[in-house]
Amino acid sequence: DTEVTQTPKHLVMGMTNKKSLKCEQHMGHRAMYWYKQKAKKPPELMFVYSYEKLSINESVPSRFSPECPNSSLLNLHLHALQPEDSALYLCASSDRGSETQYFGPGTRLLVL
Amino acid sequence: AQSVTQLDSQVPVFEEAPVELRCNYSSSVSVYLFWYVQYPNQGLQLLLKYLSGSTLVKGINGFEAEFNKSQTSFHLRKPSVHISDTAEYFCAVTPGGGKLIFGQGTELSVKP
Repeated sequence: DTEVTQTPKHLVMGMTNKKSLKCEQHMGHRAMYWYKQKAKKPPELMFVYSYEKLSINESVPSRFSPECPNSSLLNLHLHALQPEDSALYLCASSDRGSETQYFGPGTRLLVL
Repeated sequence: AQSVTQLDSQVPVFEEAPVELRCNYSSSVSVYLFWYVQYPNQGLQLLLKYLSGSTLVKGINGFEAEFNKSQTSFHLRKPSVHISDTAEYFCAVTPGGGKLIFGQGTELSVKP
């Protein structure tokens, strides 16, 4: 089973709101990723967690705050977002020693 | 640094015709290569991957790809497409370490 789940599927938020995106995998993978994808564009890497530690931060603004509470869960906390942050947010995971990433269905975020 | 070029942004094709989606990459080190498919309003699904070994790789849904090191290419092929293959296709490479580099995507449109 190569399933990564993400909740919610859709999210609408105002610029002053605080919300969180959730990602979960039960494949025993030890690396998890957040990507942002704008329409008609490829995904852009935001963060990488390896063994529950942040290993890559692609200079993402601080209004995005990742959290990895355990090896199966990855959160993305959102605060004071801008309309240009509206996008599809994808989570992925990969097994240790493997470069193959498996993606979730994404959360479509609209910032008003 | 690595880069990926998908040579066609859009490929229209009739149902049951063969198709080739082209991908070239640039890298000074060995890389791992992937093709992902993204159906409308969904996440990315892994089609196939080349990590090592045989240069002809078979994937899901009847797709295959051939790794050509001398031409730094990893073209995706299917001998007979279906309407349901209509989607966005992304070629991606990684030298390892978690950073997937995507091409700009190819929109495959299968017409009846």
